[in-house]
Amino acid sequence: EAQVTQNPRYLITVTGKKLTVTCSQNMNHEYMSWYRQDPGLGLRQIYYSMNVEVTDKGDVPEGYKVSRKEKRNFPLILESPSPNQTSLYFCASRPTRGSPLHFGNGTRLTVT
Amino acid sequence: AQTVTQSQPEMSVQEAETVTLSCTYDTSESDYYLFWYKQPPSRQMILVIRQEAYKQQNATENRFSVNFQKAAKSFSLKISDSQLGDAAMYFCAYRSGFGNEKLTFGTGTRLTIIP
Repeated sequence: EAQVTQNPRYLITVTGKKLTVTCSQNMNHEYMSWYRQDPGLGLRQIYYSMNVEVTDKGDVPEGYKVSRKEKRNFPLILESPSPNQTSLYFCASRPTRGSPLHFGNGTRLTVT
Repeated sequence: AQTVTQSQPEMSVQEAETVTLSCTYDTSESDYYLFWYKQPPSRQMILVIRQEAYKQQNATENRFSVNFQKAAKSFSLKISDSQLGDAAMYFCAYRSGFGNEKLTFGTGTRLTIIP
């Protein structure tokens, strides 16, 4: 089944403890992206990747890192999480330019 | 920068009736795409319908249709014969045909279906 898989679905952590949210797609998509969703703000892009080893900042990249060492995986790294990074995170991918994004099921992150 | 505005934070409709969700956007680009996504309580982001800016014909997917007014920069979603399963948050989104193809989302409209 074609899908974008994020793990974990829920995560509670403390300020400053490094964490990684994984994202994997089995559709051989070149383009992948991370978004965060906050009430009243909709979804905002954090980072995106046009292909392996090609990543760039979105609208809200502060406090996040990404890597794209292989086509299927695009992890989101929070080196030192802070409470303002408490949010719902989505990974997404798309096959070709212009086609719709496929979203993962989301990761609910709480930083205390 | 592009912006997307959904002016209705909440809407409700009687089951089997028709409801229209509003969306306006601002852009100076000529090549772009518009989307409506549905987010049920399961929080999945589900594509409802998609419109290419160069197409004059309004997109339709079963009970879902759009009214795309390019000059007015308006992109409303009409849901006909509303069903209980349509209850969700609906997001309008814009994507440029250039650059990183970032989706710019509106703030969402929560739709309630009244049995």
